[in-house]
Amino acid sequence: AQKITQTQPGMFVQEKEAVTLDCTYDTSDQSYGLFWYKQPSSGEMIFLIYQGSYDEQNATEGRYSLNFQKARKSANLVISASQLGDSAMYFCAMREETGNQFYFGTGTSLTVIP
Amino acid sequence: EAQVTQNPRYLITVTGKKLTVTCSQNMNHEYMSWYRQDPGLGLRQIYYSMNVEVTDKGDVPEGYKVSRKEKRNFPLILESPSPNQTSLYFCASSFQGEFYEQYFGPGTRLTVT
Repeated sequence: AQKITQTQPGMFVQEKEAVTLDCTYDTSDQSYGLFWYKQPSSGEMIFLIYQGSYDEQNATEGRYSLNFQKARKSANLVISASQLGDSAMYFCAMREETGNQFYFGTGTSLTVIP
Repeated sequence: EAQVTQNPRYLITVTGKKLTVTCSQNMNHEYMSWYRQDPGLGLRQIYYSMNVEVTDKGDVPEGYKVSRKEKRNFPLILESPSPNQTSLYFCASSFQGEFYEQYFGPGTRLTVT
């Protein structure tokens, strides 16, 4: 089974609107971390936001927030007030307490339309 | 400046010619890892290392070797590259534990003809 599933290969959003990028995960660990990364067309991987499995509040970092629903095993990224510079690939990732691997989803390509 | 460096950034080579991609970090991280990125497949972990002399296979280790003789360095070795190893490669590092994000190098674009 896939550890991380991103079901939206491509998304479009109007500038200044909010957008939600979906991510579901699969783990039997009690302790794990969930991460989102941004990859612009220049290719570098930029860390955006982190959510720990024990965190009761959704993580926020500026315009980024993580909608964490533990029972549903989902960790959706919400970008508010989209900007043209938000156009990029976005990857969801997970790291478990047991084992030492870091799992990535297949990514979502976001295009912000002026 | 805290960073992960990779060299070379671009490499075109021929089938069977051994190559090494270097990776170095200056953040005293215990954990280092190599990924390959292919269209539609996301990032897949090749090998990772929890500390010096401790390495383990990720999801796609075939055709690759690694070593961790020093904490800061984690080279990726392709002993006999093949065209299916044409890809974008990333090195990353972090502190050990599920709550730490990984810091990525700039990537190495490898083409094997």
